[in-house]
Amino acid sequence: EAGVAQSPRYKIIEKRQSVAFWCNPISGHATLYWYQQILGQGPKLLIQFQNNGVVDDSQLPKDRFSAERLKGVDSTLKIQPAKLEDSAVYLCASSLDRTSVGIQYFGAGTRLSVL
Amino acid sequence: GDSVTQMEGPVTLSEEAFLTINCTYTATGYPSLFWYVQYPGEGLQLLLKATKADDKGSNKGFEATYRKETTSFHLEKGSVQVSDSAVYFCALSEAKFYFGTGTSLTVIP
Repeated sequence: EAGVAQSPRYKIIEKRQSVAFWCNPISGHATLYWYQQILGQGPKLLIQFQNNGVVDDSQLPKDRFSAERLKGVDSTLKIQPAKLEDSAVYLCASSLDRTSVGIQYFGAGTRLSVL
Repeated sequence: GDSVTQMEGPVTLSEEAFLTINCTYTATGYPSLFWYVQYPGEGLQLLLKATKADDKGSNKGFEATYRKETTSFHLEKGSVQVSDSAVYFCALSEAKFYFGTGTSLTVIP
């Protein structure tokens, strides 16, 4: 079974530029998550999708971050414009469902450096 | 709100030493508890889980018991190996996931 795919692995941009990350979850997984992991911290949930609908985006900075999951499969997370404090690893995860015991499968992440 | 607190690292142990990584949680209800592991250069992966009080999760020689009375889920292994070197994250799920800050473990031969 193929895992969660993310691209790119690394991205370096200057502040105020835009950037987009892509995630392809495990086939058949209805729930998709985007996390931000700042160095030395645990992953923080940015947004959670159930199929192509948003379940939770309470911690997404909506003035600059946006995400979509068209057709309920792969997903894109965008930052526009980027700030220095957005430097982090962006993790995508998927699970079969959204129940509390659902196991999440993580991609390797995209490491973003904002200069 | 819900949260997870885990012991700070880094932790350095000799091979075959005993490992304990402490994790305590705060939750309004009855969450499920998890330990995830991140090996160098790889994504997070589930190590073990427990869904209710007194459950013991185990995998690859690691164990953790869901203690409701002390709101804890400490990770233990009796004899660590060099290959266990990784970052370990405690997490809870109650409607959504909350992760601890991670504990880096280095095992030296």
